[in-house]
Amino acid sequence: AQKVTQAQTEISVVEKEDVTLDCVYETRDTTYYLFWYKQPPSGELVFLIRRNSFDEQNEISGRYSWNFQKSTSSFNFTITASQVVDSAVYFCALSEVRDDKIIFGKGTRLHILP
Amino acid sequence: DTGVSQNPRHKITKRGQNVTFRCDPISEHNRLYWYRQTLGQGPEFLTYFQNEAQLEKSRLLSDRFSAERPKGSFSTLEIQRTEQGDSAMYLCASRLASGDAFFGPGTRLTVL
Repeated sequence: AQKVTQAQTEISVVEKEDVTLDCVYETRDTTYYLFWYKQPPSGELVFLIRRNSFDEQNEISGRYSWNFQKSTSSFNFTITASQVVDSAVYFCALSEVRDDKIIFGKGTRLHILP
Repeated sequence: DTGVSQNPRHKITKRGQNVTFRCDPISEHNRLYWYRQTLGQGPEFLTYFQNEAQLEKSRLLSDRFSAERPKGSFSTLEIQRTEQGDSAMYLCASRLASGDAFFGPGTRLTVL
């Protein structure tokens, strides 16, 4: 069965520091998708990225970057030069192509301190 | 606004009452998902649809819960005989198959 583990429950860093959020997944399928979402205090889940299992190229979007490594079943998320507005809960999720159900990890609460 | 919408945003009800929530997905999206989220937890999968067909229902969903997507567009989630343990945020998401999944703002249910 598919599973997503976010071992870091809560992280605090000082503004402008870099921070990496870990995500480890389990799946028996060879074709799947990985997601990251941000949930700010307002509560709405904001889509950040979707990654195909066949594409291991790292992705960068502004201050955000994602490192996908199939060998370690990890899809880690790094925020560079963090800002207070990055404070939120971040969720990693997995969707297997065979059923397209999206399963979430328990999330990492990130505090960016001014 | 072409995003996913959910109504109502908040619902307070007494134990034993029935409640119904509505989700309007992004118009061309054929997949629609329902999740439940409690404080400090990640979204828990409840059920999902491809067009009007319900593909899977989680074991978390008791017989008191039912979901429909009658014309493959909007969906409703009904909870009968609500219990205090049903208090949670109910989230809806939509996507094209294997595409990006977008969430609505959620319906917060409080059962007194």
